[in-house]
Amino acid sequence: KAGVTQTPRYLIKTRGQQVTLSCSPISGHRSVSWYQQTPGQGLQFLFEYFSETQRNKGNFPGRFSGRQFSNSRSEMNVSTLELGDSALYLCASSLDWDRQGSYTFGSGTRLTVV
Amino acid sequence: AQSVSQHNHHVILSEAASLELGCNYSYGGTVNLFWYVQYPGQHLQLLLKYFSGDPLVKGIKGFEAEFIKSKFSFNLRKPSVQWSDTAEYFCAVNARGNNRLAFGKGNQVVVIP
Repeated sequence: KAGVTQTPRYLIKTRGQQVTLSCSPISGHRSVSWYQQTPGQGLQFLFEYFSETQRNKGNFPGRFSGRQFSNSRSEMNVSTLELGDSALYLCASSLDWDRQGSYTFGSGTRLTVV
Repeated sequence: AQSVSQHNHHVILSEAASLELGCNYSYGGTVNLFWYVQYPGQHLQLLLKYFSGDPLVKGIKGFEAEFIKSKFSFNLRKPSVQWSDTAEYFCAVNARGNNRLAFGKGNQVVVIP
């Protein structure tokens, strides 16, 4: 079966712009989480969605937002980009809400802010 | 909130050597514990997980981990590594009932043929 698909794979944006990243979970998976990975901070939780509802949110500013659609696909948006937003953004999907972190990760979107 | 500590961020060893990576977490409640691996150029993959029961957990590719509740630890082991085990290894924890994973900073493991 197809894995978690993230698009685009690479993005270059300038400061002040906004960006939208997309994630298609494994077919049948209803829980989608987003993580930011940087060399300095490692992997940090952004938010989680289940059945179109945000269940959890990490400690990121309001410039970071997300949503989930009825087909479980998810998008995250970052507005007013800053240099520090340069990172690998990972999406992970799980079958159910109670799968307790057993997520399948995508390959990520590499965002570079210049 | 939970936090996870991994030590010895860079590990270099020869094939057939034994590997042990330490993981300590801080959280007072019941947790689920995971080890994820990221091979060069690949996505994060689940290596093994502990939810409950036998504290010695066996995962893929000959890896195992032991949960020691009194030490808040979940150390990863492999008796004899191969060159293909070169990867970055991440320990992660989430509080029971919460899908938010807290990751350690990772261990970069290089196995020399």
